[in-house]
Amino acid sequence: QVQLQESGPGLVKPSETLSLTCTVSGGSISTVAFYWSWVRQFPGKGLQWIGYIHYGGNTVYNPSLANRIVTSLDVSKNQFSLKLRSVTAADTALYYCARGRPMVTYYFDLWGPGALVTVSS
Amino acid sequence: DVQLTQSPSFLSASVGDRVTITCRASPGVNSYLAWYQQKPGKAPNLLIFGGSTLQNGVPSRFSGSKSGTEFTLTISSLQPEDSATYYCQQFNDYPLTFGPGTKVAIK
Repeated sequence: QVQLQESGPGLVKPSETLSLTCTVSGGSISTVAFYWSWVRQFPGKGLQWIGYIHYGGNTVYNPSLANRIVTSLDVSKNQFSLKLRSVTAADTALYYCARGRPMVTYYFDLWGPGALVTVSS
Repeated sequence: DVQLTQSPSFLSASVGDRVTITCRASPGVNSYLAWYQQKPGKAPNLLIFGGSTLQNGVPSRFSGSKSGTEFTLTISSLQPEDSATYYCQQFNDYPLTFGPGTKVAIK
């Protein structure tokens, strides 16, 4: 079955760029059927949607983060990636990649196990 | 942004009890709401989408309903493995938003 797995540094210094990759196994990201997404969960447990990238090329980001985010797809590696620049301690969170199933916008039908990222000097 | 509130924030119930969790949306989100279950150390898991459609593989004791701008997740007969935090998420509009969660414990 399809599985998602996040990878990337667990510690990032303030003002630097957080970079995460999600590897999709058991299925192809080269499909228009899904939205490849990022969600984060803060230490207090609240969930925040970050944004998505679609195989067709379009992206939609949370306006509160849009000026700091870049996402990309690597179809040769069946991966998608997130870069969040100028991080602060407030960006410390558990970052999930997730598969979005379209319906008006979309909901999440499959999640990776999550990658903890701590922002600290 | 759509604000989602959940009640209660915590509940404790016995095995076999009927449990209901409420999610209110402001402004309304039509029927475009999903429910997720999250167990400690795990990612959220989709239970219901479209307000009332059960995701494949989810036990039938879980159900969802809608009345106006209020959505309800019901567990008809609580089981020990249902101990978790439950979140609602609206997908009527961007940015997608989540409720603050309801923690369900077994007495």
